Amino acid sequence: AQSVTQPDIHITVSEGASLELRCNYSYGATPYLFWYVQSPGQGLQLLLKYFSGDTLVQGIKGFEAEFKRSQSSFNLRKPSVHWSDAAEYFCAVGDSGGGADGLTFGKGTHLIIQP
Amino acid sequence: EADIYQTPRYLVIGTGKKITLECSQTMGHDKMYWYQQDPGMELHLIHYSYGVNSTEKGDLSSESTVSRIRTEHFPLTLESARPSHTSQYLCASSAGGYTEAFFGQGTRLTVV
Repeated sequence: AQSVTQPDIHITVSEGASLELRCNYSYGATPYLFWYVQSPGQGLQLLLKYFSGDTLVQGIKGFEAEFKRSQSSFNLRKPSVHWSDAAEYFCAVGDSGGGADGLTFGKGTHLIIQP
Repeated sequence: EADIYQTPRYLVIGTGKKITLECSQTMGHDKMYWYQQDPGMELHLIHYSYGVNSTEKGDLSSESTVSRIRTEHFPLTLESARPSHTSQYLCASSAGGYTEAFFGQGTRLTVV
């Protein structure tokens, strides 16, 4: 069964500093991977996705992520965070067969931005 | 822009009441999902659907039921609400294959 691990429950970063959120997955075949962001009281918004091809993917709001098969990782990065980036971030893995059994999510990383 | 709507956004209801959480999408997606999000923020899949007249249970056991009579509509029903059902419920849809899921804004349910 597929699984996702986000090792950091909370991360605190100063505004303007760089950010990296970690994600490790477990999946037998080629995964397709996502990062979502959730603001308080809201649903999830897709930041970026990886299906195949270039292992460095660009997303919205200045985020990027790199797929590293050898490390089973898909870490999210941003060179300079803004106070509005404070939110909950979820990494997810999907069934590459396009199955309808939904995405498997990590437990999330809560990002706190210090002024 | 993805259009998937959930109503109500917030609901406080007494124990034993029957409730239906509504979810509608205008994207023509065949696949729809319900996730339960606990206070620790982790999401668990409780129901999904491949299309009309298709419903399946997800990874997390739930006392709720779902129906899919129309492509755009995927309501979730609790026949008798209990305090243990207090949670946030998120509906999502996707076109299937190598595509992402789009999420509604969620329904925060409190059973007192």
